[in-house]
Amino acid sequence: DAMVIQNPRYQVTQFGKPVTLSCSQTLNHNVMYWYQQKSSQAPKLLFHYYDKDFNNEADTPDNFQSRRPNTSFCFLDIRSPGLGDAAMYLCATSSGESLLFFGPGTRLTVL
Amino acid sequence: AQSVTQLGSHVSVSEGALVLLRCNYSSSVPPYLFWYVQYPNQGLQLLLKYTTGATLVKGINGFEAEFKKSETSFHLTKPSAHMSDAAEYFCAVSGRQTGANNLFFGTGTRLTVIP
Repeated sequence: DAMVIQNPRYQVTQFGKPVTLSCSQTLNHNVMYWYQQKSSQAPKLLFHYYDKDFNNEADTPDNFQSRRPNTSFCFLDIRSPGLGDAAMYLCATSSGESLLFFGPGTRLTVL
Repeated sequence: AQSVTQLGSHVSVSEGALVLLRCNYSSSVPPYLFWYVQYPNQGLQLLLKYTTGATLVKGINGFEAEFKKSETSFHLTKPSAHMSDAAEYFCAVSGRQTGANNLFFGTGTRLTVIP
């Protein structure tokens, strides 16, 4: 089945220790998104790729970076996680229309 | 600019009762409208969407929603709640020309189903 996969599902890191979250897709969609979702809140768009073109939301902290080495994979790097970065991180894909396919998410805990 | 307001952050219904989750939108252009469901520790799953055409949209799991332009609403309903419907529900809106990278989510409504 075509799908969006996120690894790991649960990630624990220490304050200030870099962490990388992974997303892969078999849908062959050209657009990939990273959302941050804090408890009981709506998902918040961090950035997205249209093919290799990177688009950063204006209020996304510099602490967050992303890489997309090919169509299938996209990574979220948090350079120095703070306690406020603990959240669910959702990857999503789109074929260019207003329809998103979400992965199951990675729950990040910062100790 | 688009925005979404979901009335009621928590809704409780008895099993078998009508489910009504409210969503009002603001959009300067004819919108695309969506309902997503999120089960605990899972990603969001599309329930249904309105883009054009028939204003009553049927989705998965027996849910439906009606686009009412005059009321700027897109409320989600299900005639009979099931225990498995307990989840968080998000309404979302995007402009027709801007795509999913300008998709605005509401703050969500947590649905509890009482046995």
